[in-house]
Amino acid sequence: GENVEQHPSTLSVQEGDSAVIKCTYSDSASNYFPWYKQELGKRPQLIIDIRSNVGEKKDQRIAVTLNKTAKHFSLHITETQPEDSAVYFCAATPGSGYSTLTFGKGTMLLVSP
Amino acid sequence: GAGVSQSPRYKVTKRGQDVALRCDPISGHVSLYWYRQALGQGPEFLTYFNYEAQQDKSGLPNDRFSAERPEGSISTLTIQRTEQRDSAMYRCASSPMGEEQFFGPGTRLTVL
Repeated sequence: GENVEQHPSTLSVQEGDSAVIKCTYSDSASNYFPWYKQELGKRPQLIIDIRSNVGEKKDQRIAVTLNKTAKHFSLHITETQPEDSAVYFCAATPGSGYSTLTFGKGTMLLVSP
Repeated sequence: GAGVSQSPRYKVTKRGQDVALRCDPISGHVSLYWYRQALGQGPEFLTYFNYEAQQDKSGLPNDRFSAERPEGSISTLTIQRTEQRDSAMYRCASSPMGEEQFFGPGTRLTVL
């Protein structure tokens, strides 16, 4: 089955800096890669996603890149703000027509004012 | 519109009791997923449905766990003869038709 590795497990940045979180996946058939933000005590919220026919997608301060050859994808947050502090999860579908998600272990992002 | 809802939000039960966790998906969403999330970890897949049909139950830990979605809307995850290791946050998500999944608030299950 699919295996998703996520790094780093924790990331501390100063407000205004950029943050990058990286994930790798194992199943070359995977074709959908969402990112979720989970604040303490809240539900995971979908913030951005990318499909395998696209190499990059941007939405305001967040962007995601995908390298299918290397089987890795990354989340980029620019001009970080304290409210970006949360746990971020990457995920991948296992492919083969399945839509279930395999999640990474998460990255705790702390943005200091 | 209303998001995914789950009930109860918290459930405390004694070991050996059965529990039923309910998920009410976003209206019109075809796919419904159950996940279990341990503290500090990502959600772990349990099972999912398209309409009323259970498509994959490979993530259910053992035969004490079962799920149904008889009318293609509300779903129930049932855990029989609960054990302490079943304690976790159980999350439901729904999707219009695969891919984008929207999560519910979860049910925090504690087995004493």
